[in-house]
Amino acid sequence: ETGVTQTPRHLVMGMTNKKSLKCEQHLGHNAMYWYKQSAKKPLELMFVYSLEERVENNSVPSRFSPECPNSSHLFLHLHTLQPEDSALYLCASSRDSNQPQHFGDGTRLSIL
Amino acid sequence: LAKTTQPISMDSYEGQEVNITCSHNNIATNDYITWYQQFPSQGPRFIIQGYKTKVTNEVASLFIPADRKSSTLSLPRVSLSDTAVYYCLVGDRNLNNDMRFGAGTRLTVKP
Repeated sequence: ETGVTQTPRHLVMGMTNKKSLKCEQHLGHNAMYWYKQSAKKPLELMFVYSLEERVENNSVPSRFSPECPNSSHLFLHLHTLQPEDSALYLCASSRDSNQPQHFGDGTRLSIL
Repeated sequence: LAKTTQPISMDSYEGQEVNITCSHNNIATNDYITWYQQFPSQGPRFIIQGYKTKVTNEVASLFIPADRKSSTLSLPRVSLSDTAVYYCLVGDRNLNNDMRFGAGTRLTVKP
């Protein structure tokens, strides 16, 4: 138990669907992150929020849209995804944006 | 881009001490060194962080030589459950999101 909960754990969707990934932490952390982990590739940092404001967006396609309504919740809205977007999506949080991160166990996303 | 280089894989046997070395030749003055462990289908877990010399916790030790151009994660008496990918990250704790994950080292512990 890491204190970071991601739902759903698995998601299969078609390329025309719209879905959202959810991340929740009750660790009192101020920073939250989305990562993408594809097979045999390093973790790719997608988005970073610090105190509910987006501080980094690493050239992620617009079909991925993050939302951070409060410091405990982070969403990743998905629409018109491509097969190459199939991956493990990991959420993390940290006390501040430069502290060790606590990761959830991810959502395994498959695009048909 | 990650600032570190690690071996792609390592094998060990139960009960042995395992040392995984990470090279970071361009480490900056304000950079810290952080190690994570990742099991299949799970997110990475923070193991240890250090700046210089030696840091030890209940899980591992981190050895950092004086020039700080490398670091060694030491896992005492490994068990089968230590089979995982280990990541070394280097970055400035005072800069937002300065640390990046590299490819990591896949450690396989055999009986």
